[in-house]
Amino acid sequence: QVQLVQSGAEVKEPGASVKVSCKASGYTFTSLDINWVRQAPGQGLEWMGWMNPVGGSSGSAQKFQGRVTMTRSTSINTAYMELSGLRSEDTAVYYCARAQRGYDSGTYLYYFDYWGQGTLVTVSS
Amino acid sequence: SYEVTQPHSVSVSPGQTASITCSGDKLGNKYAYWYQQKSGLSPVLVIYQNTKRPSGIPERFSGSNSGNTVTLTISGTQAMDEADYYCQAWDSSTVIFGGGTKVTVL
Repeated sequence: QVQLVQSGAEVKEPGASVKVSCKASGYTFTSLDINWVRQAPGQGLEWMGWMNPVGGSSGSAQKFQGRVTMTRSTSINTAYMELSGLRSEDTAVYYCARAQRGYDSGTYLYYFDYWGQGTLVTVSS
Repeated sequence: SYEVTQPHSVSVSPGQTASITCSGDKLGNKYAYWYQQKSGLSPVLVIYQNTKRPSGIPERFSGSNSGNTVTLTISGTQAMDEADYYCQAWDSSTVIFGGGTKVTVL
């Protein structure tokens, strides 16, 4: 069965960086994008970006450009998301999610069929 | 940038029908998706490509798409359906989430 298992909770000081991992199993890791979505306490879902495990290409929401780096290790089927310049507003649960994409009836599809369990990142001095 | 809008909350009595809308410019020309998130848990996909239900999702969950609005309908709502529901679309290489709708089963 498909599983995405994320690394544990982190506490960071403002200005630091955090790197969250997401280990995939139960499917061919290189066949589907991994995305990152975060959720601040009591707030909604916020998309951060995507990473294609084949060549490592990635793209991020404009809000995070220059601050987020998404990478992977295909040898251990693991995706990583690193966020730098942390501030208190970055306190959130960070999720990885597997994306299905393609075309159906001429319309592009892109959605998340499996999610990790989430990683709480707390930014505090 | 593209946006989709959901009502903040919906209340429903057990056994009744709950309808959650999601509106966006020309949303009917795109595929929409719905996720259920129960308190403290990760989101779960309940509807994809407007109307399709993933394996394991009860038949009481259904979706429709017309014009600028997509709708998630929960028929015969049960107490276990109390959760936050998020719609999602794709536009210009960007994933867009609605703000979420809290469904309360009274």
